[in-house]
Amino acid sequence: DAKTTQPNSMESNEEEPVHLPCNHSTISGTDYIHWYRQLPSQGPEYVIHGLTSNVNNRMASLAIAEDRKSSTLILHRATLRDAAVYYCILSERETSGSRLTFGEGTQLTVNP
Amino acid sequence: DARVTQTPRHKVTEMGQEVTMRCQPILGHNTVFWYRQTMMQGLELLAYFRNRAPLDDSGMPKDRFSAEMPDATLATLKIQPSEPRDSAVYFCASGLVLGRGFRNQPQHFGDGTRLSIL
Repeated sequence: DAKTTQPNSMESNEEEPVHLPCNHSTISGTDYIHWYRQLPSQGPEYVIHGLTSNVNNRMASLAIAEDRKSSTLILHRATLRDAAVYYCILSERETSGSRLTFGEGTQLTVNP
Repeated sequence: DARVTQTPRHKVTEMGQEVTMRCQPILGHNTVFWYRQTMMQGLELLAYFRNRAPLDDSGMPKDRFSAEMPDATLATLKIQPSEPRDSAVYFCASGLVLGRGFRNQPQHFGDGTRLSIL
């Protein structure tokens, strides 16, 4: 599986936007980019996924670089509930079709 | 919202005992995954099933672990005999896969079984 690189931790203030980066320089043309997050004492939760175009949903936006070697998860207004570990994952198939290989993720701290 | 249900939420037992963890996938989902999470290794995929048939169990120690789906509403993960190094949080996830090119659903995770082997 192609590897992703994320910062170990990031901090944000409540109600401010958060940009979580992910590098995936060895991504192949068929790899989808997925983001999941894990709140304390809970299982991972799907956030968003995309292939080439930017994507928006009710939780977040995903901005994908033109060369697809990096992407950014955007939380438009961080809340205290958004404090979690965020995982950027590549997989060959869309969503649940294939295994997800979780890395270490980015621990997001949201300050009141 | 439909949820993946895992039981028990917590289990403490002594080394050598059999442990059974259960998972009820979301109704209608045809793919079930078992993951294990530890501080040292993070989240690892142990096995997954499609339409109740095992697709990949290469992440699972075969000598003591077994995973089954007796029916579409129940997946089980058994450890026999259990060892202290099996202490971890075990997650089940389910998803709907219709085929390549279809709009498949994301994986939905349960809240896990926290297992402690003394």
